[in-house]
Amino acid sequence: QKEVEQNSGPLSVPEGAIASLNCTYSDRGSQSFFWYRQYSGKSPELIMFIYSNGDKEDGRFTAQLNKASQYVSLLIRDSQPSDSATYLCAVISNFGNEKLTFGTGTRLTIIP
Amino acid sequence: KAGVTQTPRYLIKTRGQQVTLSCSPISGHRSVSWYQQTPGQGLQFLFEYFSETQRNKGNFPGRFSGRQFSNSRSEMNVSTLELGDSALYLCASSLGEAGGPQNIQYFGAGTRLSVL
Repeated sequence: QKEVEQNSGPLSVPEGAIASLNCTYSDRGSQSFFWYRQYSGKSPELIMFIYSNGDKEDGRFTAQLNKASQYVSLLIRDSQPSDSATYLCAVISNFGNEKLTFGTGTRLTIIP
Repeated sequence: KAGVTQTPRYLIKTRGQQVTLSCSPISGHRSVSWYQQTPGQGLQFLFEYFSETQRNKGNFPGRFSGRQFSNSRSEMNVSTLELGDSALYLCASSLGEAGGPQNIQYFGAGTRLSVL
């Protein structure tokens, strides 16, 4: 079983709709969770981070964490063509440990 | 504030050669982590340096090594290059202080290495 799992997609969403990206992780002791966006040929760019159960909102983005279910998700509201990218879920097991374990990423395409 | 700077951006080497990649972190950041990204394996952690010491290490062979200087700049070296080492090598920096859940890693643009 992979440590961090994501649906590789591609996920196609109409412009203006909500895109929902999901991620599960195997280490129950994981502490910090990150969503990075990566455009083709570019480096990962941080979108959101979350470390407490519940929802965290930043503009059009909402991260949701459920530690009991070992599940983290990212919602993108009012999806724009510029949101088309690969979204990477990453997990840190322990505070003070800088090792990010990444999922394989979900490729998201927003259809105009 | 300048971001994470990686040099060179592109490299072409042949099998058996060695290569050194450089990373300058964001000013004030003391932790530098290195990752390898390939289409087949995705993003994989190589190692992390903090205050000139390797603090974490991934599951890569000893041909992959690194170091960090007193100004937090880091270098990564790959010896005896193999075709499978062709990848995008990414460096990320963070404050690196222990116990900080908000230790965000910021990535550089990467060095794309092609081994022929």
